[in-house]
Amino acid sequence: GENVEQHPSTLSVQEGDSAVIKCTYSDSASNYFPWYKQELGKRPQLIIDIRSNVGEKKDQRIAVTLNKTAKHFSLHITETQPEDSAVYFCAANSNTGNQFYFGTGTSLTVIP
Amino acid sequence: DAGITQSPRYKITETGRQVTLMCHQTWSHSYMFWYRQDLGHGLRLIYYSAAADITDKGEVPDGYVVSRSKTENFPLTLESATRSQTSVYFCASSEIQGPQYFGPGTRLLVL
Repeated sequence: GENVEQHPSTLSVQEGDSAVIKCTYSDSASNYFPWYKQELGKRPQLIIDIRSNVGEKKDQRIAVTLNKTAKHFSLHITETQPEDSAVYFCAANSNTGNQFYFGTGTSLTVIP
Repeated sequence: DAGITQSPRYKITETGRQVTLMCHQTWSHSYMFWYRQDLGHGLRLIYYSAAADITDKGEVPDGYVVSRSKTENFPLTLESATRSQTSVYFCASSEIQGPQYFGPGTRLLVL
């Protein structure tokens, strides 16, 4: 099955700096890559996603890039704010399209 | 987010007892999922369902049973709870090949 690896496991940045989280996947049939943000004690919430027919997608301060050849995708957060502090999970879908395989998460701390 | 709910939100039980966690969604999504979340393991899929009366195992199904008699409900049963099943359980739902939306979670402690 699919294997998703996520790095780094923890990340600290100064407020206003950028943060980058990287994921790799193993199954070339994966074609959908969502990112989730989970605040302490809360549910994971979808923040951005990308399908394999595009290389980049942006939503305000958040962007995701996808390199299908290298089988990796990344989350970029610019102008970080304290409220960006959370655990972020990447995921890739299965070859059937409906199961997700999640990375182990990145704990992001934005230092004011 | 209010479209998917879980109950109970917190549960304490003892080893060997049967426990059922409930999940209900109002979106009429085809797919429903159960995950457990433990430190260091992220989200691991227990079971999923593609439609009423269709269920399939995920990564960690041992010790769990699911059913789906109605599209909107997807209960998860721990037949004989063990301490290793202490975890946070999340239910999720999705359209076919769409993003998954998570419920608020159930914190389960097995003593």
